[in-house]
Amino acid sequence: EAGVTQSPTHLIKTRGQQATLRCSPISGHTSVYWYQQALGLGLQFLLWYDEGEERNRGNFPPRFSGRQFPNYSSELNVNALELEDSALYLCASSYRGKLSGANVLTFGAGSRLTVL
Amino acid sequence: DAKTTQPPSMDCAEGRAANLPCNHSTISGNEYVYWYRQIHSQGPQYIIHGLKNNETNEMASLIITEDRKSSTLILPHATLRDTAVYYCTLNSGGYQKVTFGIGTKLQVIP
Repeated sequence: EAGVTQSPTHLIKTRGQQATLRCSPISGHTSVYWYQQALGLGLQFLLWYDEGEERNRGNFPPRFSGRQFPNYSSELNVNALELEDSALYLCASSYRGKLSGANVLTFGAGSRLTVL
Repeated sequence: DAKTTQPPSMDCAEGRAANLPCNHSTISGNEYVYWYRQIHSQGPQYIIHGLKNNETNEMASLIITEDRKSSTLILPHATLRDTAVYYCTLNSGGYQKVTFGIGTKLQVIP
């Protein structure tokens, strides 16, 4: 079974540009989570998509946005890049067969974004 | 706005048990306790989870106090490959966001 795949592995952009990161969840998983991890810091919750809808959002400015496609893959867009956006961006997926109960997240290897 | 608190770092001798504590005093009745670990900037890896009973799998044991306000992850025989950052998090499967704190950096010493 293929795991969560993220692309690109590394991305270098300059200030003011836009970055697009992609995530393919495990087959059968309907939820996708995005996290930002700046160097030496913990995981900061960015966005959560489930069944094509944005279900929750972290404390990030609107220039961080995304979407989930009908095949449950997801895209994270960061507009007007700033130096402090340099980080590892992690995607995780899970299966939410019911609204309550256990919900194990499976993470991808991440996309490292460097803003110069 | 993580709902859990953990010590920032711990050391453990190789071959000994590593006991990693986590406080979650505001846990609600339907929230499970989850543990993940992250080895050197790889994606975090799921370890174990529990609701109220103690749990054990091939990787670790999870001890949850009776009032559910704290828990301990136990790695029974730590190896050098267990050196990682360990995260304790809560998740009910509902629509609230799943947040991670800074975790505990476990250093296993030869």
